[in-house]
Amino acid sequence: DIQMTPSPSSVSASVGDRVTITCRASQGISSWLAWYQQKPGKAPKLLIYAASSLQSGVPSRFSGSGSGTDFTLTISSLQPEDFATYYCQQANSFPLTFGGGTKVEIK
Amino acid sequence: QVQLVESGGGVVQPGRSLRLSCAASGFTFSSYGMHWVRQAPGKGLEWVAVIWYDGSNKYYADSVKGRFTISRDNSKNTLYLQMNSLRAEDTAVYYCARSAVAGNPLIAFDIWGQGTMVTVSS
Repeated sequence: DIQMTPSPSSVSASVGDRVTITCRASQGISSWLAWYQQKPGKAPKLLIYAASSLQSGVPSRFSGSGSGTDFTLTISSLQPEDFATYYCQQANSFPLTFGGGTKVEIK
Repeated sequence: QVQLVESGGGVVQPGRSLRLSCAASGFTFSSYGMHWVRQAPGKGLEWVAVIWYDGSNKYYADSVKGRFTISRDNSKNTLYLQMNSLRAEDTAVYYCARSAVAGNPLIAFDIWGQGTMVTVSS
């Protein structure tokens, strides 16, 4: 199985900050990576698919990059509604696997 | 409005069975691969199973293989998860989710249900 390792596990940031979250795959997955945002008590929301494609309706302050084993989610200017947990997910092969999540908290 | 609505969760004793349902609306259900994803209380997301748009292929997480069965009825726009031999570690919120691209069961999950809670406890 492909293991997904996020970094950091949590980050404290202020509104307006640039936030970068990384995810490393245990083996190459080309560009088959997705990012999700989840708020407490809610279902996850797709932000990015195929490593860098912005899902329709998602604000442009979110961007994704990377290929192979190393991937990045960037929030260019953190907004109050962005405080949440972010998950990466490899879509290269079954079983599909998620990283353990990165919690973005208010500083 | 594109929507997925799960039902069937509840409290069940270890070793017993439960069947979850996921009703789809607002899109051509028969064109999309469908998944179940679960989340134990306070934990991260775990993919459970996938079924191809036409039911021709199914894959499972090792943790549920041989105990859970995913199925679908395209005439009823409904996805199912039959869960047998339930264990305490199966306690979680179960989400159904749609593959983001018609005909491609991988890529990502773009539509999620609200989730249904399954508690396995004596």
